[in-house]
Amino acid sequence: DAKTTQPPSMDCAEGRAANLPCNHSTISGNEYVYWYRQIHSQGPQYIIHGLKNNETNEMASLIITEDRKSSTLILPHATLRDTAVYYCIVRGGNNAGNMLTFGGGTRLMVKP
Amino acid sequence: KAGVTQTPRYLIKTRGQQVTLSCSPISGHRSVSWYQQTPGQGLQFLFEYFSETQRNKGNFPGRFSGRQFSNSRSEMNVSTLELGDSALYLCASSLQGGTGELFFGEGSRLTVL
Repeated sequence: DAKTTQPPSMDCAEGRAANLPCNHSTISGNEYVYWYRQIHSQGPQYIIHGLKNNETNEMASLIITEDRKSSTLILPHATLRDTAVYYCIVRGGNNAGNMLTFGGGTRLMVKP
Repeated sequence: KAGVTQTPRYLIKTRGQQVTLSCSPISGHRSVSWYQQTPGQGLQFLFEYFSETQRNKGNFPGRFSGRQFSNSRSEMNVSTLELGDSALYLCASSLQGGTGELFFGEGSRLTVL
């Protein structure tokens, strides 16, 4: 079973911030939160990851609650090209390898 | 540098046949993992190889197998194909595995008739 829960779909106006929530209430202390996105029929693309501190890169920001049970991916100025399925994944430490469990993700539709 | 390369990109097979898919990871990456994506089941982990050894295996029947070569290139094989094996098969690579960025290829789309 997926370790995360996400809303199945969201809409966002172009140019506005897109805030995608994720619940991971059973996360362990050594597990990271990863975000990927998949544009139709392409391979998933890495966006960002974090352990407990908020993270920011050129694509997005990741806000993790203090209890680490939920997080929010923020796309600060969404464009039409950000329309994709966004996956929130909990991933273990070095011993866990790359056995990722994908849930259903959130289908983000950016509208003009 | 070149990304993860998967071949072939598209292929059509008939029931009962077998298929071999290839994945060339990013240069220097030692971990290669495989995923199956279908409309009904979503993205599901098949297996992971690290330094030519299978490190993790998902919940798939024995018809699904894989291997990794000394140059980190990987192949997966599906024998006795069934209609339900029609899917996008994705390969991903990373330096070691467990943490850090996982890079996905564009996938091999298999259609079983």
